[in-house]
Amino acid sequence: DAKTTQPTSMDCAEGRAANLPCNHSTISGNEYVYWYRQIHSQGPQYIIHGLKNNETNEMASLIITEDRKSSTLILPHATLRDTAVYYCISLRAGSYQLTFGKGTKLSVIP
Amino acid sequence: GAGVSQSPRYKVAKRGQDVALRCDPISGHVSLFWYQQALGQGPEFLTYFQNEAQLDKSGLPSDRFFAERPEGSVSTLKIQRTQQEDSAVYLCASSLMADLYNEQFFGPGTRLTVL
Repeated sequence: DAKTTQPTSMDCAEGRAANLPCNHSTISGNEYVYWYRQIHSQGPQYIIHGLKNNETNEMASLIITEDRKSSTLILPHATLRDTAVYYCISLRAGSYQLTFGKGTKLSVIP
Repeated sequence: GAGVSQSPRYKVAKRGQDVALRCDPISGHVSLFWYQQALGQGPEFLTYFQNEAQLDKSGLPSDRFFAERPEGSVSTLKIQRTQQEDSAVYLCASSLMADLYNEQFFGPGTRLTVL
């Protein structure tokens, strides 16, 4: 599975959109991009995933560039409860082993 | 229960003791995973079960680590002769299907401290 690169930390004002970038320049055609987050003292929580089309669910939107070398997770209206470490993971279709890396620590500021 | 549960939530062991960590997955979930999370790091894969079969144990750090899921539901991760480097949070996750990727649902973890 391709290596992903994320900023170590980010701040976002409460109520504003949080845009979390992820670089996956070596991703192959059958690898999906997954996002999980981990709130302090909890287990990771699935957010969203996509292959090449943009995706949206009740939690977030995922924007994948046309060349698939990078993506952005968007939390449209960040709340204090969104403070967490966000992990961007590439995963080959049919695979199961999540490789988390260090993620981005998002702090939502009142 | 609605989610994955793990027990105990906290475990303190003296170096050299054996420990057993329990995971109750979501009912009906075929796949079960164990991960280890050191302080300040992301979780790292340990092992994977499909029903009662352990299909992948490539992430187990040593032969002191042993996992089982004898009836295809509850799983136990056992660590023998614990060492200080075993101190970590041990996370269990389950998912519905085996072959197709499905969202993994994680438990709250067991924090193991080895003195």
